[in-house]
Amino acid sequence: AQSVTQLGSHVSVSEGALVLLRCNYSSSVPPYLFWYVQYPNQGLQLLLKYTSAATLVKGINGFEAEFKKSETSFHLTKPSAHMSDAAEYFCAVSDPNFGNEKLTFGTGTRLTIIP
Amino acid sequence: EAGVVQSPRYKIIEKKQPVAFWCNPISGHNTLYWYLQNLGQGPELLIRYENEEAVDDSQLPKDRFSAERLKGVDSTLKIQPAELGDSAVYLCASSPRGETQYFGPGTRLLVL
Repeated sequence: AQSVTQLGSHVSVSEGALVLLRCNYSSSVPPYLFWYVQYPNQGLQLLLKYTSAATLVKGINGFEAEFKKSETSFHLTKPSAHMSDAAEYFCAVSDPNFGNEKLTFGTGTRLTIIP
Repeated sequence: EAGVVQSPRYKIIEKKQPVAFWCNPISGHNTLYWYLQNLGQGPELLIRYENEEAVDDSQLPKDRFSAERLKGVDSTLKIQPAELGDSAVYLCASSPRGETQYFGPGTRLLVL
């Protein structure tokens, strides 16, 4: 079985500050890992995904995440927060045997940007 | 290109009443997913279709939930009868087989 744990259900950062959203995974096989963003009253949008290639993955809107096997982590970062980054962020894991088809999501982290 | 379309966007019903949600996936996407998202939680898969075949419905509560995808395009998810605990957001997603999932805006259900 696979699972992800997102540390911190709410994170607040000042505009222009570093964004760091934490995700740790549990998987019996080398996983695929994803970050999705959900704006209010909208569906989820893929930010980035790790599929066993480069461990540092760059996504849309200036976000990136680094796969660290030794720490079983896949934390999401952005060097400088923008007001438009305020949203809910979900980390997800899948078994590579199922590709993108069987995603297990974390409980989400709500990001608030302080002007 | 149009995204995944869901309707209605909001639905309020009395408990024990039936309710149905509709999803129109992105054109050409063979795979269609229905997810349940409870407040403060991540989405949980209810059912996955490959064309018109339900290939994973292990998490669908079959006593009250049903789904269909006629002709392998649009899909309908039904609850009958609805219970208070069914209040949640129902998300539809689609993808080319094995590729990235694209999500619709969801239907927010409130059961009174």
